[in-house]
Amino acid sequence: DARVTQTPRHKVTEMGQEVTMRCQPILGHNTVFWYRQTMMQGLELLAYFRNRAPLDDSGMPKDRFSAEMPDATLATLKIQPSEPRDSAVYFCASGFFPNRGGYTFGSGTRLTVV
Amino acid sequence: SQELEQSPQSLIVQEGKNLTINCTSSKTLYGLYWYKQKYGEGLIFLMMLQKGGEEKSHEKITAKLDEKKQQSSLHITASQPSHAGIYLCGASSRDSNYQLIWGAGTKLIIKP
Repeated sequence: DARVTQTPRHKVTEMGQEVTMRCQPILGHNTVFWYRQTMMQGLELLAYFRNRAPLDDSGMPKDRFSAEMPDATLATLKIQPSEPRDSAVYFCASGFFPNRGGYTFGSGTRLTVV
Repeated sequence: SQELEQSPQSLIVQEGKNLTINCTSSKTLYGLYWYKQKYGEGLIFLMMLQKGGEEKSHEKITAKLDEKKQQSSLHITASQPSHAGIYLCGASSRDSNYQLIWGAGTKLIIKP
């Protein structure tokens, strides 16, 4: 089965350090999402791309977060500098719009900022 | 802005019993998605509903979308331990520019 691949699976870093999370969407999908999940807030949309163009990143703290799609096989989410409140699980999902089925989620990156 | 209400928040069900989870939108939906999540893992796509009155089944899980396309229910028949997890509904609409809005999730525990 085709899958969305996220790396790393786990990341522990010190406050102030830069963190980069990577996502390989499913080939052929034209839409890529970045989500953050915490116990308190649930699933929050951070940013999404269609055909590699950023459509909405209003969910992201702009001063420290950035999301890019340098090519169709790679999406990145960067946090600089990281803070303890950024600790969460970050999910990438890809799909095809207009939607012909569900969006496929990666296994997530569990980030802990100490 | 569109909101998605999911109920109940949590559910403890005896193995073998049936259960229903509901998802209600304040606006007419373009698509309604059901996902399941196990702790520490990603979301697994279950079903997508788009047409009013549509019903889909996968194994012992059935999801329905009402005629007005504002409410969906997920029904599990003869629950099993493998059904335990968090069920999330997600929805898109024209108003949300087809972005996915998510319910808060329903935590399902199956008692043996």
